[in-house]
Amino acid sequence: SQTIHQWPATLVQPVGSPLSLECTVEGTSNPNLYWYRQAAGRGLQLLFYSVGIGQISSEVPQNLSASRPQDRQFILSSKKLLLSDSGFYLCAWSVSGRSGEQFFGPGTRLTVL
Amino acid sequence: GESVGLHLPTLSVQEGDNSIINCAYSNSASDYFIWYKQESGKGPQFIIDIRSNMDKRQGQRVTVLLNKTVKHLSLQIAATQPGDSAVYFCAGNTGRRALTFGSGTRLQVQP
Repeated sequence: SQTIHQWPATLVQPVGSPLSLECTVEGTSNPNLYWYRQAAGRGLQLLFYSVGIGQISSEVPQNLSASRPQDRQFILSSKKLLLSDSGFYLCAWSVSGRSGEQFFGPGTRLTVL
Repeated sequence: GESVGLHLPTLSVQEGDNSIINCAYSNSASDYFIWYKQESGKGPQFIIDIRSNMDKRQGQRVTVLLNKTVKHLSLQIAATQPGDSAVYFCAGNTGRRALTFGSGTRLQVQP
């Protein structure tokens, strides 16, 4: 069966510090991968998606970036965090090549102080 | 359609009653829709999905209705239980790979 992992589960970082959130998927090959952000009490905002290694599409311009160094690894990064980067970050995967159900990870709660 | 950033509307129901959560979409080309349930501090979980060649699909205690004429989707939960309290999101495909999520509805079940 497929599983998706995210870490860390929670993170408190000062403004201006770097960020690296990691997501890995097991039990599937060549998945589509997604990063979402969810502000408190609000909906999901798609940040990035990837259809393959090294292929990243950005949905919202901001100081975040994403990379996919391996087939089942997706990383969300920032060189300098802003207060507005606080939120709940969710990674998701779906079957390659078609639109359909996305399976979500447990999320990382980021607080920028 | 998608309304990123809006505060979530709330639906409050009594335990045992039926709940109906509504969603509107704007993309006429969408042919796949899905409902997710998100409990506090957790990632969204799949509830039920429906393709555009159907107008109704039933699961365990849940039913999704699709009205393509008015671009409306609803989730019905029968005999709502306290464990159903969560935020519910609808999503529809906007391309070959992407899903667009609605703003969500917070369901509160009163004992």
